[in-house]
Amino acid sequence: DVKVTQSSRYLVKRTGEKVFLECVQDMDHENMFWYRQDPGLGLRLIYFSYDVKMKEKGDIPEGYSVSREKKERFSLILESASTNQTSMYLCASSLYGTGRDTQYFGPGTRLTVL
Amino acid sequence: RKEVEQDPGPFNVPEGATVAFNCTYSNSASQSFFWYRQDCRKEPKLLMSVYSSGNEDGRFTAQLNRASQYISLLIRDSKLSDSATYLCVVNLATDKLIFGTGTRLQVFP
Repeated sequence: DVKVTQSSRYLVKRTGEKVFLECVQDMDHENMFWYRQDPGLGLRLIYFSYDVKMKEKGDIPEGYSVSREKKERFSLILESASTNQTSMYLCASSLYGTGRDTQYFGPGTRLTVL
Repeated sequence: RKEVEQDPGPFNVPEGATVAFNCTYSNSASQSFFWYRQDCRKEPKLLMSVYSSGNEDGRFTAQLNRASQYISLLIRDSKLSDSATYLCVVNLATDKLIFGTGTRLQVFP
């Protein structure tokens, strides 16, 4: 059974703080993704990675960076959190990058920036 | 125009009813199609892939109409446990999936 875990379910931070969201998958998947989900906007892709140390921008990368030092771990970094980054953040992984693969999601981190 | 559009609902149906959701996509180059299910405050999970010939999985039937660029999901004999948000998802032969905003289904006793 594929398992994707995220470091926190709920997080409250202050404007200007640096925020780290961690994601770990245990199925040796090649691809990992970070999304944010907002009411009325659906899931939007922030960044993805198809290999260790590789990263690609998604649709809304501004204000975010990522790190993939190990295959199983993909981190999302908010360098200086702002209130418009309050959202649900979902990590996902997939075995290959063909786009036909199932993406498996973690439980999400609800981030509130005050 | 959004790349993937869905009626947000909610669709309120009694147990045992048949309900259908439609989804339209804007890019004719789209290659792979899926329905994901998301329970309240949970993560999305793959419900089924959608194939050109249409496919069925128990009470769920998915259809693809490439000419009209829409995808449908039919749920027969609705159960209370079917209450969730159903996400239409499209892929453009890249590594990226495009998610619709979801259609909410509420099944009542």
